[in-house]
Amino acid sequence: QQQVRQSPQSLTVWEGGTTVLTCSYEDSTFNYFPWYQQFPGEGPALLISILSVSDKKEDGRFTTFFNKREKKLSLHIIDSQPGDSATYFCAAPVNTGNYKYVFGAGTRLKVIA
Amino acid sequence: NAGVIQTPRHKVTGKGQEATLWCEPISGHSAVFWYRQTIVQGLEFLTYFRNQAPIDDSGMPKERFSAQMPNQSHSTLKIQSTQPQDSAVYLCASSLLGVNTEVFFGKGTRLTVV
Repeated sequence: QQQVRQSPQSLTVWEGGTTVLTCSYEDSTFNYFPWYQQFPGEGPALLISILSVSDKKEDGRFTTFFNKREKKLSLHIIDSQPGDSATYFCAAPVNTGNYKYVFGAGTRLKVIA
Repeated sequence: NAGVIQTPRHKVTGKGQEATLWCEPISGHSAVFWYRQTIVQGLEFLTYFRNQAPIDDSGMPKERFSAQMPNQSHSTLKIQSTQPQDSAVYLCASSLLGVNTEVFFGKGTRLTVV
């Protein structure tokens, strides 16, 4: 079954800095990779996603990169803000219907003002 | 749009008791999912309904867990004879049908088995 490895486990950055999270996956069959953001006491919420036909997708301060050859994903947050402090999960589908996902272990981000 | 609603938010049960968790998906969403979240295992898929029909329950522990969706506005996850290892946050999620559609999660029910 698809495995997703996420790093780092936790990260602290200064306000205004750039945050970089990475994930690696095993099965290159599938084509859609979402990132989720979760605040304490809340469920995960979709932050940004990318299709495998693209190598980059940007949404404001958040950019995700996809490297099909290396089977790696990354999430970059520029101008990190204290409000970005949350846990971030990458995910990958495990079936052709793209309804079942395996999630990375998560990165707990803390942004210090 | 109130999002996916889960009740109760917290539930404490004694070992061996039954726990029923409730989920109200977003109106109009025909795909409903249950996930379990723990510190050790992370987010784990449990089961999936499409148009109220059970499609995939491959993540469900077979003996004590069951899920139903009696109508399009609610789903239940029932755990019989709860054990301490069942303690987790149970997340319900819903989405429109289709490939790569956004999945919306509820806030979860934190189940504690003492």
